[in-house]
Amino acid sequence: KAGVTQTPRYLIKTRGQQVTLSCSPISGHRSVSWYQQTPGQGLQFLFEYFSETQRNKGNFPGRFSGRQFSNSRSEMNVSTLELGDSALYLCASSLNRVYNEQFFGPGTRLTVL
Amino acid sequence: GQQLNQSPQSMFIQEGEDVSMNCTSSSIFNTWLWYKQDPGEGPVLLIALYKAGELTSNGRLTAQFGITRKDSFLNISASIPSDVGIYFCAGQEGQNFVFGPGTRLSVLP
Repeated sequence: KAGVTQTPRYLIKTRGQQVTLSCSPISGHRSVSWYQQTPGQGLQFLFEYFSETQRNKGNFPGRFSGRQFSNSRSEMNVSTLELGDSALYLCASSLNRVYNEQFFGPGTRLTVL
Repeated sequence: GQQLNQSPQSMFIQEGEDVSMNCTSSSIFNTWLWYKQDPGEGPVLLIALYKAGELTSNGRLTAQFGITRKDSFLNISASIPSDVGIYFCAGQEGQNFVFGPGTRLSVLP
């Protein structure tokens, strides 16, 4: 069974631009969560989607948004990029509300110049 | 918010040695997960724990869900070079996962 895939793997943007990251969960998984990982802050939860609905949201500004499609694929968007947004963005999928072991993708490394 | 502490922050061990690390929380969790992350990659799930007191093994790895539900332990026996990486614990309360800062493991040949 294929794992979680994320595209692109690497991205370089400049301040003020916006970016969209994509995540395809493991087949059959309906929950997708997004995390930001930086050396200073570690893994921080952004939001979680389940059946196309945002179920939980972390403490990030409104510039960070996401959505989930009917096939469970998810996208994350960051608008008006800031230097501090440079990070590894990780997506994790889990089966459903009961079986909630999360499996991570390889991440998208975003660099903001 | 919830905070997880992991100790040690980093450790250097000789190949073949056993390793112990732990994770503590100020909150009670219903689930504990242990992950390993290699540089430039996403975390890989090692072990999941669902019940207080539960002891689960995965090859040379053994993890335990603390009785108080506020801590968890991970042991690695007979370490090998490919055990190098950062080990994260994650606790779940409700629908939210909180991650620890990680323990960086280095294995010396």
